[in-house]
Amino acid sequence: EPEVTQTPSHQVTQMGQEVILRCVPISNHLYFYWYRQILGQKVEFLVSFYNNEISEKSEIFDDQFSVERPDGSNFTLKIRSTKLEDSAMYFCASSENHRDTQYFGPGTRLTVL
Amino acid sequence: AQSVSQHNHHVILSEAASLELGCNYSYGGTVNLFWYVQYPGQHLQLLLKYFSGDPLVKGIKGFEAEFIKSKFSFNLRKPSVQWSDTAEYFCAVNAVGFQKLVFGTGTRLLVSP
Repeated sequence: EPEVTQTPSHQVTQMGQEVILRCVPISNHLYFYWYRQILGQKVEFLVSFYNNEISEKSEIFDDQFSVERPDGSNFTLKIRSTKLEDSAMYFCASSENHRDTQYFGPGTRLTVL
Repeated sequence: AQSVSQHNHHVILSEAASLELGCNYSYGGTVNLFWYVQYPGQHLQLLLKYFSGDPLVKGIKGFEAEFIKSKFSFNLRKPSVQWSDTAEYFCAVNAVGFQKLVFGTGTRLLVSP
């Protein structure tokens, strides 16, 4: 069964550094998403992406965040200048269309020191 | 704005006991409803979903959920739990016309053998 994959599984970085989290969505899916879960809190939506554009974003997704589909398979989340409060589990998801089930990857645990 | 409440944060049951996990959402329009499960060390997986039609939906592993529109609820049930059902269960809502999933806080279920 096809799965969403994410790399790395764990990323440790210093405050102020840039990080790029990578995802490979399911191959025939057209919609891609990033969510995050701060320890002890809810899973929160960050952004959705379709046809090489952001289609929806939350208030959390400010100018320090960006997303990109650099090639036909990868989908990336870049955090430009990490803050301590960016420490969280980041989940990528994909779906065939915007009304369909979203399939989640295993997550990347980001720790900002 | 959409929101989701899960009333039980931790549930402990013995094997063969019946399970009901509560989920209520707040949104005035049409919604799609989901239950996701996260087994220890694994990623979020879809248990079941409701888009339209019969409000009683059946999912994998003997789980079912009932959408009661008048109560804004989508409770998850299983008549007889097994030790392997130990996991965290998340209710999520997607308002039709939006792409983001809004999650509840999750319920940790521990089934003792």
